[in-house]
Amino acid sequence: EDKVVQSPLSLVVHEGDTVTLNCSYEVTNFRSLLWYKQEKKAPTFLFMLTSSGIEKKSGRLSSILDKKELFSILNITATQTGDSAIYLCAVFGQGAQKLVFGQGTRLTINP
Amino acid sequence: NAGVMQNPRHLVRRRGQEARLRCSPMKGHSHVYWYRQLPEEGLKFMVYLQKENIIDESGMPKERFSAEFPKEGPSILRIQQVVRGDSAAYFCASSPIGQGYEQYFGPGTRLTVT
Repeated sequence: EDKVVQSPLSLVVHEGDTVTLNCSYEVTNFRSLLWYKQEKKAPTFLFMLTSSGIEKKSGRLSSILDKKELFSILNITATQTGDSAIYLCAVFGQGAQKLVFGQGTRLTINP
Repeated sequence: NAGVMQNPRHLVRRRGQEARLRCSPMKGHSHVYWYRQLPEEGLKFMVYLQKENIIDESGMPKERFSAEFPKEGPSILRIQQVVRGDSAAYFCASSPIGQGYEQYFGPGTRLTVT
């Protein structure tokens, strides 16, 4: 059965800190890995990663995938209180169009 | 371009009643997915539909739950004879024709069963 595990489950840091969120996966015929940010409502799409070693970047957020070691990290630099959210990692298997989600990392940024 | 729309946003039902959750995909999207999020848990896939077709319902409970996506109108997730354990946030996502990734999520319906 396909599986996604995120760590840590919860993280509290001060504004301005840099954080790294982890996502490991086991999936048959991996196709892509996605990161979402969930505040009080809809998960918002952040990144989709398909190839190993290619960093995706959007402002202070960046992510990279390691298909050999079966994990991805999401980095947030110079954190702000608006970054407080649950960050979800999900994978697609080949031929399957359903996303398998991890349990999420709850990130809290204190001023 | 309006995003994925879901209604109602909050729904309260007594045990034994029926719940109907509606989802209108983004314009141009013909693939709809339903996910359930229990408290303090990640999202779990329930069902994947295209217009008038259920493609994958491997995540749907065997009883009381059904889904449809008619030719006209929104997709409906129907829960009959609700129980307390059905209380959760139900999210709908959509994606364009031919693509199974970059699913865009609606705001969810929070179902509370009393």
